[in-house]
Amino acid sequence: GNSVTQMEGPVTLSEEAFLTINCTYTATGYPSLFWYVQYPGEGLQLLLKATKADDKGSNKGFEATYRKETTSFHLEKGSVQVSDSAVYFCALVGVGGTSYGKLTFGQGTILTVHP
Amino acid sequence: DTGVSQNPRHKITKRGQNVTFRCDPISEHNRLYWYRQTLGQGPEFLTYFQNEAQLEKSRLLSDRFSAERPKGSFSTLEIQRTEQGDSAMYLCASSLAGGARGQPQHFGDGTRLSIL
Repeated sequence: GNSVTQMEGPVTLSEEAFLTINCTYTATGYPSLFWYVQYPGEGLQLLLKATKADDKGSNKGFEATYRKETTSFHLEKGSVQVSDSAVYFCALVGVGGTSYGKLTFGQGTILTVHP
Repeated sequence: DTGVSQNPRHKITKRGQNVTFRCDPISEHNRLYWYRQTLGQGPEFLTYFQNEAQLEKSRLLSDRFSAERPKGSFSTLEIQRTEQGDSAMYLCASSLAGGARGQPQHFGDGTRLSIL
């Protein structure tokens, strides 16, 4: 079945540092890939997505590139802010069959940014 | 667009009691999903509706769990004879239908269930 693996956390950075959160996946065919963010006490918000190989998703300074050859979708940001402190989830949607668009999530990575 | 609404936000109950959660999706969305999230883990798929039809149920959904979406609008998730292991955040999401890969899902803030 489909699975998503994220780097071990938590991640603690100083403001303006560079961020990378690693994500790799296992799926048949060409899944769509997503990053969701969860702020304290809130639900998940879609951060960015990519639907085919070599696509780059971007939003709010975050970027991730769909790498088919390495089955990866690493999240990056050049300069983090305190307000980026949250839990980040990598996820995929399988293709066809009975997927019906259901999401398979990684375990999440807690990011804390200090001033 | 008022977003996905879930009620209650927090439910505390004794083991063995029944609980029911409600989800109101974005009005034009015909797909509705339920997920469960335990502490330190990512959400796990429970079940899915397209309009009023429940099309898929995860093996995580034991016989004590039942979900309905009677008129293709709001949905309810009921847990009977709750157990300690049911303590989790229950998330609802909705989306438009269409495309082999589905449309982006919009999540509610969740209902946190605590079993005493």
